[in-house]
Amino acid sequence: DAGVIQSPRHEVTEMGQEVTLRCKPISGHNSLFWYRQTMMRGLELLIYFNNNVPIDDSGMPEDRFSAKMPNASFSTLKIQPSEPRDSAVYFCASSTRTGEDSGNTIYFGEGSWLTVV
Amino acid sequence: EDQVTQSPEALRLQEGESSSLNCSYTVSGLRGLFWYRQDPGKGPEFLFTLYSAGEEKEKERLKATLTKKESFLHITAPKPEDSATYLCAVRGHQGYSTLTFGKGTMLLVSP
Repeated sequence: DAGVIQSPRHEVTEMGQEVTLRCKPISGHNSLFWYRQTMMRGLELLIYFNNNVPIDDSGMPEDRFSAKMPNASFSTLKIQPSEPRDSAVYFCASSTRTGEDSGNTIYFGEGSWLTVV
Repeated sequence: EDQVTQSPEALRLQEGESSSLNCSYTVSGLRGLFWYRQDPGKGPEFLFTLYSAGEEKEKERLKATLTKKESFLHITAPKPEDSATYLCAVRGHQGYSTLTFGKGTMLLVSP
């Protein structure tokens, strides 16, 4: 079974440009997460979807960041306009169950490496 | 707010030299403590989930244990292929399905 698929794997863009990261979760998973990883702060949750609905976006740094999940098999994370401090690895992850369930494991994609110059 | 602290930040071992990684946590109502392995340029790969104090899980040369305040990842007779960053994460009562991660321990095993 295919894992979480992310694209692009690497992106270099100029400050001020729009960046769109894409994610296809594991088939049958109904929870989707966007995390950001930096050396200084480690892995931080940006936003979490349950059944395509955003549940917790308190980790989204500012209005320049937005995320959508139009259907169960696709999500995007958009940064507009991008800034050098947005340079990081952005991970998409998914899991099978939601809510108060303790046992669901979160599976990660390979990440999108973003560099804003 | 859930918090996870991992130590040491980095650890260098000789092949066959056993050691332990520490994960200290504070959480309101633990609903799972997770260990992941992350190789350079890759996403975190799931290793174990522990739910209650006293629980232990094993996989090859790795054994994870849990107390009410911390978890240990014991590495017995490590090999160079065990070199990776090991991440600890917790799911608390208020975190829905999300995980709060520590910054990880970077392990290097030399032949």
